[in-house]
Amino acid sequence: AQKVTQAQTEISVVEKEDVTLDCVYETRDTTYYLFWYKQPPSGELVFLIRRNSFDEQNEISGRYSWNFQKSTSSFNFTITASQVVDSAVYFCALNAMNRDDKIIFGKGTRLHILP
Amino acid sequence: DAGVTQSPTHLIKTRGQQVTLRCSPKSGHDTVSWYQQALGQGPQFIFQYYEEEERQRGNFPDRFSGHQFPNYSSELNVNALLLGDSALYLCASSFGLAGGNNEQFFGPGTRLTVL
Repeated sequence: AQKVTQAQTEISVVEKEDVTLDCVYETRDTTYYLFWYKQPPSGELVFLIRRNSFDEQNEISGRYSWNFQKSTSSFNFTITASQVVDSAVYFCALNAMNRDDKIIFGKGTRLHILP
Repeated sequence: DAGVTQSPTHLIKTRGQQVTLRCSPKSGHDTVSWYQQALGQGPQFIFQYYEEEERQRGNFPDRFSGHQFPNYSSELNVNALLLGDSALYLCASSFGLAGGNNEQFFGPGTRLTVL
């Protein structure tokens, strides 16, 4: 069975603070993809990143960074120097490579960036 | 280049009625997936269409059915609506069926309210 757990339901931080969103996943597959999506109030899911299970190298994109650790089945997302525009619901997701296109989503973390 | 479009934006129905939601994929994409996102939850996979056939299906009853047209657009039909069907319905498009290799682009969704 595949499962994604985002233990943090809601987080509030003051603007310019750093914030980390946690994601723990479960899968018996040895090859898989992990994703992060952002869902602003408009409702549309915005793709942020995709990592495959063979690539544990951490990634940085501007103020965003991702820490992938297979040993702990975690794929955490950090926003540095947060901005009000970062306020949204963030979803971590999992897909088994070469099996199907079904993406398994976590329940999401609602992030509030306070001015 | 138009992204994924969905119609209508909002819809209100009563229990027992039937509803049809529509999705046009991103230009160049041939695969459409449908997700249901209940309030406060992550999206859940309903089914996927490729080459006008349902290729995969999540844990949804037969009341949920779909169709894909030769131009790759798709419809989601829900019969005998229940209060629990109230949700945001998201459509995602991709090119091909190669699992997570193919990025899925999401539309803005249709918010269905069942009274």
